[in-house]
Amino acid sequence: EDQVTQSPEALRLQEGESSSLNCSYTVSGLRGLFWYRQDPGKGPEFLFTLYSAGEEKEKERLKATLTKKESFLHITAPKPEDSATYLCAVQALRTGGFKTIFGAGTRLFVKA
Amino acid sequence: NAGVTQTPKFRVLKTGQSMTLLCAQDMNHEYMYWYRQDPGMGLRLIHYSVGEGTTAKGEVPDGYNVSRLKKQNFLLGLESAAPSQTSVYFCASSYRQTPRMNTEAFFGQGTRLTVV
Repeated sequence: EDQVTQSPEALRLQEGESSSLNCSYTVSGLRGLFWYRQDPGKGPEFLFTLYSAGEEKEKERLKATLTKKESFLHITAPKPEDSATYLCAVQALRTGGFKTIFGAGTRLFVKA
Repeated sequence: NAGVTQTPKFRVLKTGQSMTLLCAQDMNHEYMYWYRQDPGMGLRLIHYSVGEGTTAKGEVPDGYNVSRLKKQNFLLGLESAAPSQTSVYFCASSYRQTPRMNTEAFFGQGTRLTVV
């Protein structure tokens, strides 16, 4: 069964305290893995797409990496404005098209 | 550039009432989607459309209908609302997904629906 699991459910950090969020998946026919950021009361906003194991992408204090079974979102020296829910989504090739499965998200709180 | 716009933003319905959620995108995207988001769960696909005049069922389609009469608009209807349909609904759009191009989705701000 296709599954995407994000951990931890919630993470509380002090400003400047680096950490990582995990997205593990059991999906056959992986086409790509997406990371989104969602602020309270808003829709998800795209961050990264990763396509193959070993790939890495960076944006400001965020760095996403991908292995064959999981992806990590590394946050270096976070600031309070990085507080949000981070969503992982896996897209898989299926007969007739594609299927996208979202994880439940990790809520990140960064305290000044 | 508005992106993806959803109306209304909030709505309270009584059990058995009907309503339509409106979604409009101005990015000329071929694909459009309706998701629901519930606490502790990932976004779940209700229905989607790969082009004007076409619709298809997603993961949780029961109790919902959709229509895409124009490329830029995607409507989600609830014919007889039930408390289980209390949720936050998101519309999204993207360029056409192909074996060579894997594109991200652009989301609206969401509609918070409560069915009492």
